[in-house]
Amino acid sequence: SQQGEEDPQALSIQEGENATMNCSYKTSINNLQWYRQNSGRGLVHLILIRSNEREKHSGRLRVTLDTSKKSSSLLITASRAADTASYFCATDEAQKLVFGQGTRLTINP
Amino acid sequence: ETGVTQSPTHLIKTRGQQVTLRCSSQSGHNTVSWYQQALGQGPQFIFQYYREEENGRGNFPPRFSGLQFPNYSSELNVNALELDDSALYLCASRPSGGRANEQFFGPGTRLTVL
Repeated sequence: SQQGEEDPQALSIQEGENATMNCSYKTSINNLQWYRQNSGRGLVHLILIRSNEREKHSGRLRVTLDTSKKSSSLLITASRAADTASYFCATDEAQKLVFGQGTRLTINP
Repeated sequence: ETGVTQSPTHLIKTRGQQVTLRCSSQSGHNTVSWYQQALGQGPQFIFQYYREEENGRGNFPPRFSGLQFPNYSSELNVNALELDDSALYLCASRPSGGRANEQFFGPGTRLTVL
């Protein structure tokens, strides 16, 4: 079963703009991660935020976490064509990862 | 590169057949998980193996089975293939004691069932 919903399901923006994706989850968590997937291939781990953190940065990525609303957001600033991919949030429960349905991001040149 | 490889890259089978997918983990990674990702969906956990024993399973029927070998390789076997088994199959490995969020994913095997 999926952990929750990601919003939007698809996002198309111009290169240089910022992209924001949201994720909601259902259960209590220890941490939440974001992954990128290019063209239906393997998953690349982007960033992890722990339940006691509210915001985390990594390069052009900014992740926020609101445990009271059971939601997280991923912001990609100054987008590039290479950022075109699907992005998934995931929580870990009992040694397995539970993924959202993903946001398909397209960066237009 | 994650150090996790999968074979084959693509596979086409017909309904009712059996398939074996393979994964080679990083040295020292004795925990391997398999995920099924249907088109347009997020990956779903199939099962996990630790030291050659299954120690966790998702909501998948028994016709999905696995093996793990001492050389850090593993297999996913699916019997009596159904059309809905068409998906990308991902394996992920991590070292002993590593948390689920510390696993490394392979590139996947795309299975098409006709």
